[in-house]
Amino acid sequence: AQKITQTQPGMFVQEKEAVTLDCTYDTSDPSYGLFWYKQPSSGEMIFLIYQGSYDQQNATEGRYSLNFQKARKSANLVISASQLGDSAMYFCAMREGVNRDDKIIFGKGTRLHILP
Amino acid sequence: GAVVSQHPSWVICKSGTSVKIECRSLDFQATTMFWYRQFPKQSLMLMATSNEGSKATYEQGVEKDKFLINHASLTLSTLTVTSAHPEDSSFYICSARGHPPWDYGYTFGSGTRLTVV
Repeated sequence: AQKITQTQPGMFVQEKEAVTLDCTYDTSDPSYGLFWYKQPSSGEMIFLIYQGSYDQQNATEGRYSLNFQKARKSANLVISASQLGDSAMYFCAMREGVNRDDKIIFGKGTRLHILP
Repeated sequence: GAVVSQHPSWVICKSGTSVKIECRSLDFQATTMFWYRQFPKQSLMLMATSNEGSKATYEQGVEKDKFLINHASLTLSTLTVTSAHPEDSSFYICSARGHPPWDYGYTFGSGTRLTVV
């Protein structure tokens, strides 16, 4: 079964609008972390934001915020005031546990297109 | 900040030959390194986890004899694709852990695009 589900294969958004990328996850471990990465066409993985399972407040990093709804196992990424440079592939990912070799697993991704 | 250097960034090799990909942490000691594989327009699939000085742990379905991983030092891990075939053509990317913030300090290399002809 998928542990990370991203239901939007692609999205088109007008420049300067806000955009929400959906992510739901599945885990029985009480300690976990949720990540969002951006992957432009060059292939590099750019870390955007992190939310720990015990964090009380939603994470924010500049124009990025994570809408963390623990009971619903949802961790949507919100990008405010989108820019043309935001066009890329976006991956939601999860780490289960707190050990040093805890791996990150990724969702299938959402391709975001920002329209001028 | 933490930097991971991955080389080569792209490689073309003939079918049947072996290719080595290096992943080096430049300014921290990578206690754990992860190797991923990504096919075009798909997600990153974890291949294996390696800790310095011990054998790598491979994910189910990954052939350990085909994808040899060596984590000989705290700053270097290598992935060798042995007897490569066209179906091994893919984007390979490493990730290293070992720096703060300890709960989400994973740094990715820039990836290696392998084409087997």
